[in-house]
Amino acid sequence: EVQLVESGGGLVKPGGSLRLSCTASGFTFDNAWMSWVRQAPGKGLEWIGRIKSKSDGGTTDYAAPVKGRFTISRDDFRNTLYLQMSSLKTEDTAVYYCAIDRRILMIVGTITPIDPWGQGTLVTVSS
Amino acid sequence: DVQMTQSPSSLSASVGDRVTFTCRASQSINRFLHWYQQKPGKAPSLLIYAASTLQSGVPSRFSGSGSGTDFTLTITSLQPEDFATYYCQQSYVTPFTFGPGTKVDVK
Repeated sequence: EVQLVESGGGLVKPGGSLRLSCTASGFTFDNAWMSWVRQAPGKGLEWIGRIKSKSDGGTTDYAAPVKGRFTISRDDFRNTLYLQMSSLKTEDTAVYYCAIDRRILMIVGTITPIDPWGQGTLVTVSS
Repeated sequence: DVQMTQSPSSLSASVGDRVTFTCRASQSINRFLHWYQQKPGKAPSLLIYAASTLQSGVPSRFSGSGSGTDFTLTITSLQPEDFATYYCQQSYVTPFTFGPGTKVDVK
């Protein structure tokens, strides 16, 4: 069974840093492309970024609001995905989910829906 | 960035109703459109990918259609467990973007 377990959330002051972890099991982690998605309280879903597998270059992509402040990395030996967050702002308060970018080859190309998701970890940025 | 819009933002319905909601992209995204269901306090779950392919285990009362910029999600006979919020998401180009969601509640 695929499992994604996020940890590391908590209360942090504006301007501070925090590192989230996502421990994966039940699938071949080093082949997986992984995403982080967040959800502010009472709001919708916001894609933060993605990291490809090392065999596919290990490259990262980020959404504009977090680019330059957040860094996604992975430790394939530990089957763990990370989200390093710095220069945190109050608007970064959210539940942060890690998830797998499934790659499905179809006629139109390789489709990458996000599935499955972890249970999320809450990050609160407040003074 | 590709902007995603959804309508309506909320709708009230009864068990057994047929409900349809829409998702629109600001540019053509081919069929790189996915639908998720989220219940309060839970992580989202994938319902439909590539605009119309049902995720394994998802009941056949759910269906999706569309391509290019306009997409729809239909639930043919709403069940009690379907009261939730539904999001569309494009994976045509990064940054991937979600629609603001459609909340389905009890009439």
